[in-house]
Order: sequence, then structure tokens, then C-alpha cells
Amino acid sequence: DAMVIQNPRYQVTQFGKPVTLSCSQTLNHNVMYWYQQKSSQAPKLLFHYYDKDFNNEADTPDNFQSRRPNTSFCFLDIRSPGLGDAAMYLCATSREPGLVGGETQYFGPGTRLLVL
Amino acid sequence: QKEVEQNSGPLSVPEGAIASLNCTYSDRGSQSFFWYRQYSGKSPELIMFIYSNGDKEDGRFTAQLNKASQYVSLLIRDSQPSDSATYLCAVNGDSWGKLQFGAGTQVVVTP
Repeated sequence: DAMVIQNPRYQVTQFGKPVTLSCSQTLNHNVMYWYQQKSSQAPKLLFHYYDKDFNNEADTPDNFQSRRPNTSFCFLDIRSPGLGDAAMYLCATSREPGLVGGETQYFGPGTRLLVL
Repeated sequence: QKEVEQNSGPLSVPEGAIASLNCTYSDRGSQSFFWYRQYSGKSPELIMFIYSNGDKEDGRFTAQLNKASQYVSLLIRDSQPSDSATYLCAVNGDSWGKLQFGAGTQVVVTP
């Protein structure tokens, strides 16, 4: 089945220790998104890629970086995690914005990050 | 600032009854509207999307859109305990396909 996969599902890191979360997709979608979601809050968009074009949200901290080496994979790097970065990180994909139905986003299972 | 507003709930619904969830949005240029279900500790799961004014039905779910009044609603018929979750409304008005999410309405279906 075509899907969005995230690894690991749970990640424990230490304060200030860099961490990388990964996302892969078999949907062959053009757009990939990274969201941060804290308890009882809406998902907050961090950045997205349309193909290789990177788009950063204005309020995304510099501590967060992303890479998309190919269509299938996208990575979220947190350079120096703080306690406030503990959250669920969600990867999503969409086929093609501007097409009817093409902007529908499909989410992976998420990675829950704990910062000690 | 584009906003999507939902009542946080919890909305308590007896099993078998109809759950009615509402969502309002501020961007009059929004074109497409989505409802996601999110179980506690899980990721959002698409229920349905709607683009045109009126009703759209999918099984026990009906989405209703009124662009003039800038609201979209979701009805869940014959509510089951497995429908207990948080329901996120999301609105797209951006050419990049970015979604604005509401904070969600928690639904609790009681046997």
C-alpha cells in the first residue's frame, strides 16, 4: 500500500544533542510538509518542499532545518533541541497543489520527540 | 492572520445520536476544506474534503459548506464509541497547498 512512513516513532534525546527525524513516501507526491504538534494544539507547519523548492515558515526557529535529497525522502534536523521542542512531529504529503484534490494532505504516523 | 476556529469541546454524544461539529474560517478566498480525525497520540487521518457549497456525504459522515457565511460543518450519524476522537478542520487558500488547521473539537461518544 502507498503510504507515508516516519522513523523512528519515538525519539528520546538530550538537551542540546542534535537529532534527525525521517520521512519517506511511496505515493510519489510532489509536496512534503513537516508539522510540529503539541498537546491539544493544532499542527503547526514548520516548512514544506515542492519538489526540491524549500519553503520555510516565517516563525520556524533557526534550530530547525530540513533536507529533501530525493522525491521519496525528507528529513527534519533539530540542531540543538530544547525542552520546548518536545512534541509530535508530523510529516505529510500532497500530490499537486492547484489540482482538484491535489492539495489533500496525507499524514505519516508521526514521531514523538522527548527531550531530557 | 488567517484563522480557523473550532469549539474545543468536549462534545458529548450518546451512542447512535448525531454529532454536529462546526468550523469557521477568516480567509474569504479559501477554496478547499478538510476534516481530519485524530485519535489521542496518533496522527491526523483524512475523513473527507469539500470544495463546493452544499452537502457532501461519505458513509456516516456529511460535510456541509457555506462559503458566504464562512463556515464548514461535519455531521456524524449513528455515532459509535470508536468515533471518540479530536476532529480537526483544515482550510486551504494558498497556492502552495498549505493548510490552516483549527485546534480541533474533542468528541466523546458515550455508550
